[in-house]
Amino acid sequence: DTGVSQDPRHKITKRGQNVTFRCDPISEHNRLYWYRQTLGQGPEFLTYFQNEAQLEKSRLLSDRFSAERPKGSFSTLEIQRTEQGDSAMYLCASSPLVNTGELFFGEGSRLTVL
Amino acid sequence: DQQVKQNSPSLSVQEGRISILNCDYTNSMFDYFLWYKKYPAEGPTFLISISSIKDKNEDGRFTVFLNKSAKHLSLHIVPSQPGDSAVYFCAAGSFLSGNTPLVFGKGTRLSVIA
Repeated sequence: DTGVSQDPRHKITKRGQNVTFRCDPISEHNRLYWYRQTLGQGPEFLTYFQNEAQLEKSRLLSDRFSAERPKGSFSTLEIQRTEQGDSAMYLCASSPLVNTGELFFGEGSRLTVL
Repeated sequence: DQQVKQNSPSLSVQEGRISILNCDYTNSMFDYFLWYKKYPAEGPTFLISISSIKDKNEDGRFTVFLNKSAKHLSLHIVPSQPGDSAVYFCAAGSFLSGNTPLVFGKGTRLSVIA
């Protein structure tokens, strides 16, 4: 399967715990994006990478959120000291550097904070 | 400040009829527009796109129309099929601004009734 892969698909955690999500993009794609989707809303942009460089991170929701893409391949999104308001679907997408604008999404990681 | 707006949260259409989903945008820098389809528990999948140099793009049963002066686009599905029942997201981006991350609307849930 050469699509975008996200892990875990579901995560239930207690408030105050740290969680980490992993995304493996399509192998030849240079760009990798993280979005968040809450109920009744569209995907909300968080951050993105071009290879290992993080090009935009001001949209990360707070300093509890951080993302890395250390070798320009897979990426991780970490949320520290989770709050109930962090419960959402976290979507990863990738795209080639030169493209038509289309993003290829993974199936998402659903976070539930109790 | 919502730059991409889908004002109809839901739409119900009879099988075989036309479905028309609407989207408005506010940012004049947007120069390409996409429609994504999302089934429950899956990531969004690309459906069709249009560049601002065109006013219409067609792909099988799906046609997207763009009215730049009104900052409005619409997706037409004809004939509608039960398998088209999903949430449809309108998204916009800007190549001129350096291929910025897509901005999504809140989505319209389409139900096609057999």
